[in-house]
Formats: sequence, C-alpha cells, structure tokens
Amino acid sequence: KQEVTQIPAALSVPEGENLVLNCSFTDSAIYNLQWFRQDPGKGLTSLLLIQSSQREQTSGRLNASLDKSSGRSTLYIAASQPGDSATYLCAVFTGRRALTFGSGTRLQVQP
Amino acid sequence: EAGVAQSPRYKIIEKRQSVAFWCNPISGHATLYWYQQILGQGPKLLIQFQNNGVVDDSQLPKDRFSAERLKGVDSTLKIQPAKLEDSAVYLCASSLGRDWRTDTQYFGPGTRLTVL
Repeated sequence: KQEVTQIPAALSVPEGENLVLNCSFTDSAIYNLQWFRQDPGKGLTSLLLIQSSQREQTSGRLNASLDKSSGRSTLYIAASQPGDSATYLCAVFTGRRALTFGSGTRLQVQP
Repeated sequence: EAGVAQSPRYKIIEKRQSVAFWCNPISGHATLYWYQQILGQGPKLLIQFQNNGVVDDSQLPKDRFSAERLKGVDSTLKIQPAKLEDSAVYLCASSLGRDWRTDTQYFGPGTRLTVL
C-alpha cells in the first residue's frame, strides 16, 4: 500500500527566504508525482506535475525534483512571499487511476 | 473557463440524518472524482467515474455512502445515515481523462460537512 509522508508538517519563515518542502513515498512504482497548493476554505490548485521519466519541473519561483528510486521529491520555493502562505500537498499517481496524498506542509511566510 | 462547481459550501447536520452534495465538473472532462479530506490530513479518494461509469469505489463506505453521475456530467454524493466521523471536507475534482500519465485534476472549493 502506497504511503506518502511530508516533512515538516508546518513551517514559518521570513519573507524572502528560499525554502524546501519534502515528500517521500514508499512504493517507487509511480507514474507521476504532483504538488498542489491548498488555501484555507478552498480547493486544491495543481502547481507542478512530474512524470516518472522526468527529474524536475519548474514554474516561476517553484522547482520540483523527483528521485523515483529513493522515493523522494522536493519542492523548492525561491524568494518566498506572504502570498505563498498555504498548505502544500504532495500526491503520487500509481496507476490505479487515483492519487495518494500526503498530509501536507502548512507554510506561513512572515512579512 | 469555468472551474469545478460544488454546492452547498457548508452543511451542518445531526448524526443519523442524510445529506447530499452536488458537483458540476469542467465542461468536457470525462473523469470525475470525489475525495474526503479530514482535518489535518490529505484528501482520500472515495469514488472515481469515467463518463457515467464507476472506475474505482474501493474506498467508498457503501453501507452509508452512494454516488451517481447521470449522463456523464453532474454528480451527487449522498451519505445516509451520517456518523460523527463523516465530518470532513468533501472535494470534487475533474480531469480530461485522456492520458492518465499527464492528467491534471482540477478541484472544486469543497463542501465542509459538520455532523453533530
């Protein structure tokens, strides 16, 4: 059974810092890994999707890497801003056509 | 492009009552998902539809939960009777459903259910 773990559970940083969120998964037989953002009271917004054959994906200040063999992914946020405050969720797609999510990292960027 | 619509946004009921949630996916999206997100956890898939057929309902508590997607568009999720542990946010998502390797799911705002 696939399990996804995200560390840390919560993170508070001053504005302007670069930061890394971690995600690990137990079954390396995945087809893709996705990072989502969830704002309070709202649904999830897809940030990046990395296919199993890829090593990383970039979008603006966000960079996600994937090491499938070790079961790890990181989300790098450059020059953090207060608007980046949200919960970030990692999810893997294992071919059962369903995403398995981690519990998320709650990020607070202090102005 | 309109996003995934869900209603109601909030619902408070007593245990043993019944409740229904409605979802309207993005136009043209063949795949529709219902997730349950308990506070402090990630979403957990309840049921997945491809057009109006069920692809996966292995984690749906079928003794009390039911879902349908008539005509392959809108969907309703029903709980009858509700238990305290059903308190959660119920998220609906949709995707094109053409290439599952690159399929991106788009989520609605969710329905927050409180069972007293």
